[in-house]
Amino acid sequence: KNEVEQSPQNLTAQEGEFITINCSYSVGISALHWLQQHPGGGIVSLFMLSSGKKKHGRLIATINIQEKHSSLHITASHPRDSAVYICAADNNDMRFGAGTRLTVKP
Amino acid sequence: DVKVTQSSRYLVKRTGEKVFLECVQDMDHENMFWYRQDPGLGLRLIYFSYDVKMKEKGDIPEGYSVSREKKERFSLILESASTNQTSMYLCATRRPTDTQYFGPGTRLTVL
Repeated sequence: KNEVEQSPQNLTAQEGEFITINCSYSVGISALHWLQQHPGGGIVSLFMLSSGKKKHGRLIATINIQEKHSSLHITASHPRDSAVYICAADNNDMRFGAGTRLTVKP
Repeated sequence: DVKVTQSSRYLVKRTGEKVFLECVQDMDHENMFWYRQDPGLGLRLIYFSYDVKMKEKGDIPEGYSVSREKKERFSLILESASTNQTSMYLCATRRPTDTQYFGPGTRLTVL
């Protein structure tokens, strides 16, 4: 079993839909990261959180430390949100999920 | 803004060739990492370094070596490239307790 599991693996949505991507981890962490990777390869950090909830524009990340679970939500999704979303459990070493490929159709 | 650059975006090499992938960062970060990314497997750590001339094996170091002669530069070396090393290679850098900053990636094909 992987230390970091993401679901779903693939997600297709219509523009405007509310999207949730889930991440469960089995290791102890100091922080949980959400990353975004667009076609072409570059990865950017969206959130780094250790408790509660963070919001940036239409993106919201939550974490439940007791349940070892985090979610990434996208409100009012747009085709430009199409990307691979990756969660990573951080305890000095980063352990990455396999990623969720999101496609938002116009 | 942190800038992490990698020497090539695309690279095609032949089996048995020695391959150098170079990563340079401009933010004086101590920690640097090399990952490979394969479909369905996510990012896997090859090697990392916490200081100049220091290196540590990650999860999949076999077939690879690294060099860190200067703080800003971390090189990944494939001593004798093989077809199973065809992959996307990503360099990253961070300060402790900060997020990681990734380079644009090098897509390596070994024929």
